[in-house]
Amino acid sequence: NAGVTQTPKFRVLKTGQSMTLLCAQDMNHEYMYWYRQDPGMGLRLIHYSVGEGTTAKGEVPDGYNVSRLKKQNFLLGLESAAPSQTSVYFCASSLWDAGNEQFFGPGTRLTVL
Amino acid sequence: RKEVEQDPGPFNVPEGATVAFNCTYSNSASQSFFWYRQDCRKEPKLLMSVYSSGNEDGRFTAQLNRASQYISLLIRDSKLSDSATYLCVVNPLNTGRRALTFGSGTRLQVQP
Repeated sequence: NAGVTQTPKFRVLKTGQSMTLLCAQDMNHEYMYWYRQDPGMGLRLIHYSVGEGTTAKGEVPDGYNVSRLKKQNFLLGLESAAPSQTSVYFCASSLWDAGNEQFFGPGTRLTVL
Repeated sequence: RKEVEQDPGPFNVPEGATVAFNCTYSNSASQSFFWYRQDCRKEPKLLMSVYSSGNEDGRFTAQLNRASQYISLLIRDSKLSDSATYLCVVNPLNTGRRALTFGSGTRLQVQP
């Protein structure tokens, strides 16, 4: 099992460009999450999904959109990137609700110039 | 006030030392508690869950104090490989949020 994978691992964007981060899990987990991690801020939840076809806003959703068309995939989109979105993005999944262990992907390092 | 607060450290300790971290949380109705470990430039991984009665896993002991709203992690006989950032994590179920709240972490550096 690969667990949780993320693509790409690194990306540099110019302000105003768009991109999609892909997260995939092969553990048949229901819940999936997107976090961003900034120095001194800890992990902050952007959006999450409690099952295929569902999405919900987290703590810092502005500027991001998500889709969960297939159970194993959770996509994070940036429509018009801003320097404030420079961060490390982690995807995670859990079998059921957040009371279960969350398994994280290796992260995507995004720089917006 | 942050929902989950931790001393960022770093805690610099010699090998073999015992070290303890505390974490406070603001939501009194929080139901689940965890410690995650994050190595430098890596993803977080679950270290252990924290149960009301306290629990131990080898050299690691976790305690929960609901009255004072804090959890603790004790590491005995520190190893070089314990050097990492330790994240305190809380699940505030009563707010309707189906997600975890992470502290910003406490960095531990074990020195030879």
